Amino acid sequence: KAGVTQTPRYLIKTRGQQVTLSCSPISGHRSVSWYQQTPGQGLQFLFEYFSETQRNKGNFPGRFSGRQFSNSRSEMNVSTLELGDSALYLCASSWGLTGGRTEAFFGQGTRLTVV
Amino acid sequence: GIQVEQSPPDLILQEGANSTLRCNFSDSVNNLQWFHQNPWGQLINLFYIPSGTKQNGRLSATTVATERYSLLYISSSQTTDSGVYFCAAFMDSNYQLIWGAGTKLIIKP
Repeated sequence: KAGVTQTPRYLIKTRGQQVTLSCSPISGHRSVSWYQQTPGQGLQFLFEYFSETQRNKGNFPGRFSGRQFSNSRSEMNVSTLELGDSALYLCASSWGLTGGRTEAFFGQGTRLTVV
Repeated sequence: GIQVEQSPPDLILQEGANSTLRCNFSDSVNNLQWFHQNPWGQLINLFYIPSGTKQNGRLSATTVATERYSLLYISSSQTTDSGVYFCAAFMDSNYQLIWGAGTKLIIKP
């Protein structure tokens, strides 16, 4: 059974550009959550999608957005990139909604560098 | 506010030693997981343990939900155990996984 797949693995972008990251969950999983990890702030929750609907959102500006497709694959978009957006972006997949006694599994992450 | 606190923040041990990592949480939880983050950034699931005790090889974990803490035990450490260990807890009051700051473990040969 394939794990959670995130693409691309590495990305270098320039300030002001936008970027789209992709996450394919484990087959049969319907929930995808996104996290940002930085050395100073640790792991911060961005948002969770379940059955194509955003179910929960963390405390990030509107430049961060996402969506989920009917096959549960999810994309995250960051517009007008800032240097502070440089981070490891992690995607988690679970069968049910986070908190519903369901285990989350993570992809390898996308390391974004903004220059 | 809602918090997940891990201790110790750093731990350096010789190969073969045992260790105990602690995770305290400030509210009742219905989902608690332990992860190991390897040097390449991948978060590897260790335990899903909202309560009780589980064992997997040299690793075991115990969560005492009523006292709001969880422990991760690593026995006979190997250099491949090095990395950062995170606990993450889901609390109904905040409807998201809240992460501890992690314990950085270094196992020296």
